[in-house]
Amino acid sequence: DIQMTQSPSSLSASVGDRVTITCQASQDIFTLLNWYQQKPGKAPQLLIYDASNLEKGVPSRFSGSGSGTDFTFTITSLQPEDIATYYCQLYDNLPPGATFGGGTKVEI
Amino acid sequence: QVHLIQSGAEVKKPGASVKVSCKVSGYSLTELSMHWVRQAPGKGLEWLGGFDPEEGETLFAQKFQDRVTMTEDTSTHTASMELSRLRSEDTAVYFCASLSTVATGAAFDFWGQGTLVTVSS
Repeated sequence: DIQMTQSPSSLSASVGDRVTITCQASQDIFTLLNWYQQKPGKAPQLLIYDASNLEKGVPSRFSGSGSGTDFTFTITSLQPEDIATYYCQLYDNLPPGATFGGGTKVEI
Repeated sequence: QVHLIQSGAEVKKPGASVKVSCKVSGYSLTELSMHWVRQAPGKGLEWLGGFDPEEGETLFAQKFQDRVTMTEDTSTHTASMELSRLRSEDTAVYFCASLSTVATGAAFDFWGQGTLVTVSS
């Protein structure tokens, strides 16, 4: 099975900082990588799909890049409302199913 | 806009079963590929299973395939997930989520609010 390794597990930054999170797949997953934001007590929300596509309604300060095994999620200017845990996620057919990274807790 | 509304919190004893429901509004249940994801307290997200549109069948994570059942009732627009032989490690918030084809892949674009299942003697 494909493993997703996300780092760091947590980070602390200031308002206005650029924040970067990485996700590494154990084998080539092309661009089959999504990013979610989860605020405490809430369900996850899709931010980025297919590695670099911004979901409708998501602020443009969020972005994603990468392909193959190495992916990056960036918040260009951290805002107070961005305090959350962020997860990368793969949905693939071999074997079928979803795999999540371990999560990155972003604090101010 | 798709809305997924889940049933309320449950407390169960070890060895029992629990059934969590997810009512769909704003879209037809038959047009959605419904999946279930759980999150133990303070932990990350874990996929249990769901309908794979390419395979045309419901697939399960190997870890749960002998304990989980997923059903849909189109008359009530409700998807359900039943987990049997509960143990304390099954204590978690259970989410329903719809899987949509996006670009070259698939992503969970709509989520229920979550249902807390507590397993305790």
